[in-house]
Amino acid sequence: GESVGLHLPTLSVQEGDNSIINCAYSNSASDYFIWYKQESGKGPQFIIDIRSNMDKRQGQRVTVLLNKTVKHLSLQIAATQPGDSAVYFCAERGAGGSYIPTFGRGTSLIVHP
Amino acid sequence: GAGVSQSPSNKVTEKGKDVELRCDPISGHTALYWYRQSLGQGLEFLIYFQGNSAPDKSGLPSDRFSAERTGGSVSTLTIQRTQQEDSAVYLCASSLLVGGKEQYFGPGTRLTVT
Repeated sequence: GESVGLHLPTLSVQEGDNSIINCAYSNSASDYFIWYKQESGKGPQFIIDIRSNMDKRQGQRVTVLLNKTVKHLSLQIAATQPGDSAVYFCAERGAGGSYIPTFGRGTSLIVHP
Repeated sequence: GAGVSQSPSNKVTEKGKDVELRCDPISGHTALYWYRQSLGQGLEFLIYFQGNSAPDKSGLPSDRFSAERTGGSVSTLTIQRTQQEDSAVYLCASSLLVGGKEQYFGPGTRLTVT
């Protein structure tokens, strides 16, 4: 079956460093890829998405890169802050009317002050 | 705030009992999703209500699970004859449009089956 997975379950960084969270996907028919942030005890929160016909999209302190050749997605966080500590999930939305996103397992980002 | 709310926040029940979990989506949001999240895992899709169309129940793990959405707003997820493996956080999300990429999640209900 199709799957979305993450390479690293835990990422530790120092405050001020840039963070890169990676995600592999297998469904080449997905039309959108989405990143969510989940803080402890809360539901996931939408961060940014990217359409499958794009390679890069920037938001506030975050950049998402999509490499369709190797089916790889990454989330870059600039100048990481302690408030960025959370679990980050990538998700893919199937094309062709399948609006059910498939979520990866998640990466725990720990930011040390 | 007018975010997604869920109740109860925590529920402890004995094996074999039925439970009902409630979700109040953001007013006006057409689509509503239920997910299950086990410890250290990603989100497992359960069911999707899409406007006035029939719900997509393809993610429900067994016939002990059911859900309804009344009046296009509040939704209730019911688990009958709970089992220990049902223990998880149950998350509800809504989106403005059917197929909306940006889903707004509630805080979840932590279900513990003893």
